[in-house]
Amino acid sequence: EDKVVQSPLSLVVHEGDTVTLNCSYEVTNFRSLLWYKQEKKAPTFLFMLTSSGIEKKSGRLSSILDKKELFSILNITATQTGDSAVYLCAVNNFNKFYFGSGTKLNVKP
Amino acid sequence: EAQVTQNPRYLITVTGKKLTVTCSQNMNHEYMSWYRQDPGLGLRQIYYSMNVEVTDKGDVPEGYKVSRKEKRNFPLILESPSPNQTSLYFCASSLGPGAANTGELFFGEGSRLTVL
Repeated sequence: EDKVVQSPLSLVVHEGDTVTLNCSYEVTNFRSLLWYKQEKKAPTFLFMLTSSGIEKKSGRLSSILDKKELFSILNITATQTGDSAVYLCAVNNFNKFYFGSGTKLNVKP
Repeated sequence: EAQVTQNPRYLITVTGKKLTVTCSQNMNHEYMSWYRQDPGLGLRQIYYSMNVEVTDKGDVPEGYKVSRKEKRNFPLILESPSPNQTSLYFCASSLGPGAANTGELFFGEGSRLTVL
C-alpha cells in the first residue's frame, strides 16, 4: 500500500529556533516529492524534489531527498511566527498524489 | 492571473440532496484532481483526470462522481450526500505527465461542505 508518513505530528518552538520536519514514503513508481505550506486556506508550494542529494533552498527553508532510504527533510532556520502552519509532504507517482497527514508547526514569540 | 477557482466556497446541505462543486483552471493544465481534507488524515485524493474524458479513482472515490468534458473544468458531484462527506474539499491542477511537467499541484481555495 502506497503511503506517506510525516513526523512529528506537531511541534512547538520559539522564534529563532531551527526545526527539521521529516517525511518518509513508500510509493511505487516514484516521480517527485513535494512540500507545501498550509495556513488557514489552500496549500502553497514550497519545493519539488526529484533527485537524491540535491538540496533545494529558498531563504530560510531548505529540503533534501534521499531516494535510497525513501525520505525527505524540510529544514527551517531562524524560525519566525509567520512560519506557523501545517507543512504537508506529498509524493507523486505520475498518476496520483499521496499526502502525509502533515506537521503542525507553532512558532512562539 | 493563473488560478484554480472552486464554487461554492461554503455549503450546508442535507442528506440525500444532490450537489455539485465546480472547479475551473485557466492554466491549460492537463491534470486535475479532487481531494478531501479531514483532521488527522491529511489530504486524500478522491478522483483525478489526466485529460479530457479521462478520469480515474483516487483513494476515496465512494459517494463521488466526476466528469471532464472540457479541459478547464472538473466538477465534483455528490449524488446523495451523507454526513460522512462533511469535509474540506480542494481541487487542484497540474501540467500533464510529460517530460516538462514539474509535478507541482496548484490548489483552489477550498470548499467547506457540511452535510446534515
